[in-house]
Amino acid sequence: KQEVTQIPAALSVPEGENLVLNCSFTDSAIYNLQWFRQDPGKGLTSLLLIQSSQREQTSGRLNASLDKSSGRSTLYIAASQPGDSATYLCAVLSGSARQLTFGSGTQLTVLP
Amino acid sequence: GAVVSQHPSRVICKSGTSVKIECRSLDFQATTMFWYRQFPKQSLMLMATSNEGSKATYEQGVEKDKFLINHASLTLSTLTVTSAHPEDSSFYICSHGTGNNYGYTFGSGTRLTVV
Repeated sequence: KQEVTQIPAALSVPEGENLVLNCSFTDSAIYNLQWFRQDPGKGLTSLLLIQSSQREQTSGRLNASLDKSSGRSTLYIAASQPGDSATYLCAVLSGSARQLTFGSGTQLTVLP
Repeated sequence: GAVVSQHPSRVICKSGTSVKIECRSLDFQATTMFWYRQFPKQSLMLMATSNEGSKATYEQGVEKDKFLINHASLTLSTLTVTSAHPEDSSFYICSHGTGNNYGYTFGSGTRLTVV
């Protein structure tokens, strides 16, 4: 059974800092990995999608890397802003049923 | 990109009543939609997979008679919480694939409070 872990559970940084969020998964046989952002009481917004054959994806100030063999992904946020404050979720697509398994998230607070 | 419309966004109901949540795919014909539940400070847990024109597939531990799923068209899936109890209070969210390299898009979620 696939399990996804995110570290840290919560993170508070001053505005302008670069930061790294970590995601690990137990079964490396994945189709893809997706990073989402969730604001309080809201749905999920897809940030980056990395296919199993890819090593990284970039969008603006966000960069996500994938090391499938070691079961790890990182989300790098450059020059953080208060508007980046949210919960960031990592999810992997795996298994014959192509099921999406989520981590428990990292709650990020960027202080002005 | 694909857009999912989910409503209501919030609902408060009395214990013992039923609540229907709708999930519409606005620009994509979704043969399969997914329903998740999220408790406070926890991650999303898959409840069931709805299949257009056929029965839904429920995850272990999810009562199919309590959480009724209907996927009558390629653009609409509904989740009905029957005989709701306070422990059913949670955040329910739907999703479907985007048809693009197996990415997924999510609705805005429904906050259900049973009093």
